[in-house]
Amino acid sequence: QQQVKQSPQSLIVQKGGISIINCAYENTAFDYFPWYQQFPGKGPALLIAIRPDVSEKKEGRFTISFNKSAKQFSLHIMDSQPGDSATYFCAASMASGTYKYIFGTGTRLKVLA
Amino acid sequence: DAGVTQSPTHLIKTRGQQVTLRCSPKSGHDTVSWYQQALGQGPQFIFQYYEEEERQRGNFPDRFSGHQFPNYSSELNVNALLLGDSALYLCASSLSGAGNYGYTFGSGTRLTVV
Repeated sequence: QQQVKQSPQSLIVQKGGISIINCAYENTAFDYFPWYQQFPGKGPALLIAIRPDVSEKKEGRFTISFNKSAKQFSLHIMDSQPGDSATYFCAASMASGTYKYIFGTGTRLKVLA
Repeated sequence: DAGVTQSPTHLIKTRGQQVTLRCSPKSGHDTVSWYQQALGQGPQFIFQYYEEEERQRGNFPDRFSGHQFPNYSSELNVNALLLGDSALYLCASSLSGAGNYGYTFGSGTRLTVV
């Protein structure tokens, strides 16, 4: 019940294309869903996050789509750029209570120039 | 404004040894969490410290222990190192009362156990 399943494991996209990464969770008590971007040798950096009271959140080229009934959420990167090449992690937590994040296994994105 | 600072950046230890990793939180943050990230995996929660107390712990053995100091900095100690402890250890800081919002991660300490 504590798992967050992430797919695909790796993704190759042409420059200007749309990158889509999907995550699914089981615990309906989760109420905070961040996405993190991690470059080699660096720690994860918060990209965008959503609460389940909205179905979509957009920040620049990054959009989270959230489907509460399906217990799924996804990250869309529009107009993907070579600089977006990194590993992306979804996560889930309860904004109050257990404090810990449950991370997905990561998606390695490569954007071809 | 300094972010989360971790030291050392890399470390090589022998099986059975003990190791101490250090973390200075982002300015203004008072809560420190530690995560273990094995190669090719997502970070796994080890524990969180607030007001110098361990507030919550993940599924890690007692060989993993920690401490938080009055200036909010923190240490992670691992005793009796195993080969499987080789990983990137991440420290994340946040401000209590902000719930789980605003986690800031450091760049991590790469621990190799040989």
